[in-house]
Amino acid sequence: SQQGEEDPQALSIQEGENATMNCSYKTSINNLQWYRQNSGRGLVHLILIRSNEREKHSGRLRVTLDTSKKSSSLLITASRAADTASYFCATGATGGGNKLTFGTGTQLKVEL
Amino acid sequence: NAGVTQTPKFRVLKTGQSMTLLCAQDMNHEYMYWYRQDPGMGLRLIHYSVGEGTTAKGEVPDGYNVSRLKKQNFLLGLESAAPSQTSVYFCASSYGYAGGTDTQYFGPGTRLTVL
Repeated sequence: SQQGEEDPQALSIQEGENATMNCSYKTSINNLQWYRQNSGRGLVHLILIRSNEREKHSGRLRVTLDTSKKSSSLLITASRAADTASYFCATGATGGGNKLTFGTGTQLKVEL
Repeated sequence: NAGVTQTPKFRVLKTGQSMTLLCAQDMNHEYMYWYRQDPGMGLRLIHYSVGEGTTAKGEVPDGYNVSRLKKQNFLLGLESAAPSQTSVYFCASSYGYAGGTDTQYFGPGTRLTVL
């Protein structure tokens, strides 16, 4: 079964706006990661946040993690058309080794 | 570095046929993974390997077999293909950090259709 559920399933915004997508998960984790997938391509790692961290930044990306609510959010600031892609959260379960369980993804479309 | 490569990129099979998907990585990663991606379901782990000569079942292993004879290669086999195995297959690899915080590197995918 899927560990992570993303919300919304699809998001359409104008270039320059911020995009926020959310991920909820079910079990105890030691890290949560976000990946991007361009149409027809493999996934690319964006950012990792450990379970003892609450917020992390990387360029235009900001990730938050609330382990009490079992949720995370990914914020992309000042979006560009090139950010159009699907975004997936993936959780590394406590004691699960290095396996990841992926969510169902958010399809982001950034229009000019 | 080529990263993670997958062969073939596309394949069409008839029900009951067999085939092998090849994944190769040149990053000296210990861990390798096979996923399938279906519309609306994200990625699901089929099998994985934590090192040369080892394999383990993931979330959806039925109908698939794997082998990791060399560290850089991870093969996924379908012995008797079924239409339910129509999907996009992704291979990934990771370093294998002890703390469980690996990031995974993905190949470009293989689009398989079973008629």
